Amino acid sequence: GQQVMQIPQYQHVQEGEDFTTYCNSSTTLSNIQWYKQRPGGHPVFLIQLVKSGEVKKQKRLTFQFGEAKKNSSLHITATQTTDVGTYFCAGWSPYGGSQGNLIFGKGTKLSVKP
Amino acid sequence: GAGVSQSPRYKVAKRGQDVALRCDPISGHVSLFWYQQALGQGPEFLTYFQNEAQLDKSGLPSDRFFAERPEGSVSTLKIQRTQQEDSAVYLCASSQTSGGFQKGFFGPGTRLTVL
Repeated sequence: GQQVMQIPQYQHVQEGEDFTTYCNSSTTLSNIQWYKQRPGGHPVFLIQLVKSGEVKKQKRLTFQFGEAKKNSSLHITATQTTDVGTYFCAGWSPYGGSQGNLIFGKGTKLSVKP
Repeated sequence: GAGVSQSPRYKVAKRGQDVALRCDPISGHVSLFWYQQALGQGPEFLTYFQNEAQLDKSGLPSDRFFAERPEGSVSTLKIQRTQQEDSAVYLCASSQTSGGFQKGFFGPGTRLTVL
């Protein structure tokens, strides 16, 4: 079945350093979504990418969707302690289940040392 | 309300007990989703409603799991004869559109512990 893999599983950075997490799908995706989950919290929607090669920015966060629509990345510039949490990518493929069946990666847990 | 609410927030059940988990979606949201999140893992799909219609229940792990949304608003996820492997956080999400899981708003989840 469809799988979404995310690396790295953990990332520890010093405050001010950059951070990147990568997401790869076994099948072509119709869209990719990114969520952030703070410790003890629930996933919060960050962004959705739909077009091949799309790049979107939200302040210090840059999101990319690959040309083949099978991979994506999230880059954070100059991390802050408020960036701490687990970042999940999630995608839906027309070759997978219904449109409600969003496949989540296992997430990258980011810790930031002040 | 301002967001998706779920109750109870925590539930401890003895193995073999039945449990019912409630989700109140954002008012007017057409689509509602149930996901299961094990510790250290990403959410995994359970089932999906569009209004009162259950469009996909392929993620329900066994016939012990049942979900309903009879009036197209509040939803209940019921687990019969709970097992230890059912221990997880159960997340409900809702979305304004009928186009599947897009820009979904998750609730705080119900943490189920089966002893």
